[in-house]
Amino acid sequence: DAGITQSPRHKVTETGTPVTLRCHQTENHRYMYWYRQDPGHGLRLIHYSYGVKDTDKGEVSDGYSVSRSKTEDFLLTLESATSSQTSVYFCAASQGESNQPQHFGDGTRLSIL
Amino acid sequence: GENVEQHPSTLSVQEGDSAVIKCTYSDSASNYFPWYKQELGKRPQLIIDIRSNVGEKKDQRIAVTLNKTAKHFSLHITETQPEDSAVYFCAAPYGNKLVFGAGTILRVKS
Repeated sequence: DAGITQSPRHKVTETGTPVTLRCHQTENHRYMYWYRQDPGHGLRLIHYSYGVKDTDKGEVSDGYSVSRSKTEDFLLTLESATSSQTSVYFCAASQGESNQPQHFGDGTRLSIL
Repeated sequence: GENVEQHPSTLSVQEGDSAVIKCTYSDSASNYFPWYKQELGKRPQLIIDIRSNVGEKKDQRIAVTLNKTAKHFSLHITETQPEDSAVYFCAAPYGNKLVFGAGTILRVKS
């Protein structure tokens, strides 16, 4: 769907370790997003990007950073992972702003022990 | 605030019956309202969307209605089938972000 690939698909790591998740898209979409999905909370926005090197915070950005050095790649980093960051992470991309459809990747299941 | 209320949180229907899920939003400037379906272990997938210049949109067995005055929109699924069982999310824009509802678990009993 819209050529969005997330890696890794699954990861188990320990508290305090750094973790980087990658999102790659092939459709030249300008906007890219990182969400986390937890039971009872739906999809919550972590960070988003509106162009190369242009990023902004979402609803739950504490403990996360992002980078976008190329149009096709959007990286999410947990500098020092905590157990509260155990979640399923979805990347999405869209042609334009919030009034355009977002297309999602397959998700990354991250467990922090 | 930036909030999208979605109801009900769970919905069980008999195969062949209709299902309705409702969402409310607070920003009168919101002009785009998508609905996503997420099957277990899969990605959310866009199933239908509506823009604020129309009141209703249909695509086969699914339809979305929008009441801008009341700031709510609804997803209607007719003649439900077991494969309609999934989690459904609504969303509305706030500024340049989409805010999602908490989701509705739809179970279609055969």
